[in-house]
Formats: sequence, structure tokens, C-alpha cells
Amino acid sequence: SQQGEEDPQALSIQEGENATMNCSYKTSINNLQWYRQNSGRGLVHLILIRSNEREKHSGRLRVTLDTSKKSSSLLITASRAADTASYFCATNGYGKLTFGQGTILTVHP
Amino acid sequence: DAGVTQSPTHLIKTRGQQVTLRCSPKSGHDTVSWYQQALGQGPQFIFQYYEEEERQRGNFPDRFSGHQFPNYSSELNVNALLLGDSALYLCASSLARDAYEQYFGPGTRLTVT
Repeated sequence: SQQGEEDPQALSIQEGENATMNCSYKTSINNLQWYRQNSGRGLVHLILIRSNEREKHSGRLRVTLDTSKKSSSLLITASRAADTASYFCATNGYGKLTFGQGTILTVHP
Repeated sequence: DAGVTQSPTHLIKTRGQQVTLRCSPKSGHDTVSWYQQALGQGPQFIFQYYEEEERQRGNFPDRFSGHQFPNYSSELNVNALLLGDSALYLCASSLARDAYEQYFGPGTRLTVT
């Protein structure tokens, strides 16, 4: 079964807008990661947040983690058409990644 | 510095046949994990190899087997293919001491007819 569940399943926005995706998980974690996947190809690692962190930034990405609610969010600011992709959260169990079903983000130029 | 490579890119097989997929890890990495991604789903963990041994295994039948070679490259074998095995197969490499950081290859698209 999937550990992380993303919400929404699909998101459509205009270029320049912000995109927020949410992820919920079921068990205790050491860290949570976000990945991007373009057109059904390989996954690209975006950001990792550890269980003792509440917020992390990387460029236009901002990730939050609430371990009490077992949830995380990924914010992409000032989105671009090139951000169009599927985004997955994944929890890590000693090297075994457990993914959610992903959010399909479409950014219209 | 070469990233993770996989071959072949695409593959079409018939039900009942056997298939072998190959993965070369990122330079310096010693651990290889395999994932299956069905259309519209997130990747699911198949198994992980380190020091030429299977270290972890997901909920996949014995028809799925693997191997890791001394140069850390790996193979995924699937026997008695079923239509449901059609998926994107992803390989990820990492360092055993830092298994949190996994680098994915472009995947092999397997179609079973």
C-alpha cells in the first residue's frame, strides 16, 4: 500500500502563480522527500526534509513538515511552464522509498 | 560523471516470456534499488541490492529476481510475464551509508502483450 498520499491529484495553474501540493503519510518517518517526474521518465530528487525539521527551502521550493499531523506540503513559487510534471512525496525506511500516487501539475504559459 | 543508466529504453514481450533489465549505478554508488511504476501510479519498491546480496524486498512474487555484480551494476529478471507486469521499471542508486539520497535512472518501459 502507498505510504504517502498526495492531494490534489491534479493541479492546473497559470505561469507565475504558486502551486501547493500536500502529502499525508501513515507511519513514523526519519525523513520525507519530494521528487519530480517528467512525462513518465526517471524521477528527479527535489528536496529532503528530516523529521526534526519543520520547514526547508531550495530555490523556488518550500517544503513544510508536520509530524504531529503526519503531513507535508510542497510549495512552488512563481511557477513556470517547465514545472509541468508529476510530483511525488516519498517516505524512507532504511533506503526503501515508499511513494504516494502523485500530483500532476500543469502550468499554462 | 555519469548518472544512473538503464537498458533497454523500451521492451515489448509476450505473456509467459522472461525479461532482463539492466542498470548501471551512478559513479561511486554501491547500492541499487528497483521500483515498478504502473501507469498513473507512484513507484513501488521491488528490492534492493548491496554487496551483491538482496537486502530488502517489497511485496513482489518470486517471479521477480535480481542480481548485483562486483562492479555494482544490477539486473532485474522477471519470469512468466503477465499482462499486469507492463510498467515503467526504475533503477535507483545510492551509497549504503547515505541511503536517503537516491538517484534514479530514466527507466525501462516494459509492455507485455
